[in-house]
Amino acid sequence: GAGVSQSPSNKVTEKGKDVELRCDPISGHTALYWYRQSLGQGLEFLIYFQGNSAPDKSGLPSDRFSAERTGGSVSTLTIQRTQQEDSAVYLCASSLGRGGQGENPETQYFGPGTRLLVL
Amino acid sequence: AQSVTQLDSQVPVFEEAPVELRCNYSSSVSVYLFWYVQYPNQGLQLLLKYLSGSTLVKGINGFEAEFNKSQTSFHLRKPSVHISDTAEYFCAVSRHSGYSTLTFGKGTMLLVSP
Repeated sequence: GAGVSQSPSNKVTEKGKDVELRCDPISGHTALYWYRQSLGQGLEFLIYFQGNSAPDKSGLPSDRFSAERTGGSVSTLTIQRTQQEDSAVYLCASSLGRGGQGENPETQYFGPGTRLLVL
Repeated sequence: AQSVTQLDSQVPVFEEAPVELRCNYSSSVSVYLFWYVQYPNQGLQLLLKYLSGSTLVKGINGFEAEFNKSQTSFHLRKPSVHISDTAEYFCAVSRHSGYSTLTFGKGTMLLVSP
């Protein structure tokens, strides 16, 4: 079946502008994760959604970052007033989540990422 | 909290040679263990995972890894590499209990040359 998809694949923006990154998880996956991959920092967890539960936002680096997940499916990561240090690859992953059957519920499947460059 | 250490940032190797990519982890609770591969300009692809049972885990593309609880290691091996194995490899852990995000190592770049 279709994997995790992300859009856009690349985004170039000017410092101070807002950006929105989109993630479509695998159908039927109730858990959705955002990670950031940047030089020197490796892969960092940003935020986690599980079903209708309140998201775990503990990895968001500042209040300029926010995310929502509509209808338990598509998620949007928004970065306001972008800074040059926000330049990174933003990766989305999904998993079956709690209550998943027939698979380790914690195995995460990743999308191709969105490459963000802030000039 | 968990942490993952990948001891080598880069591993150069000749084609058809064996390779081992090292991974050590630290955790106060039981964990699941994963290896992901990232080809240039692509996302992460699950290579293999250890959940329970046999400590030797076989994955895709001829890779395998062995879980060693006493040494808290999960080293990745391949007996004979190909040029196409050139990629970055990430070791990751997640907790058993409840939900858990992945904690990644810094990655190891495998460079296979002819």
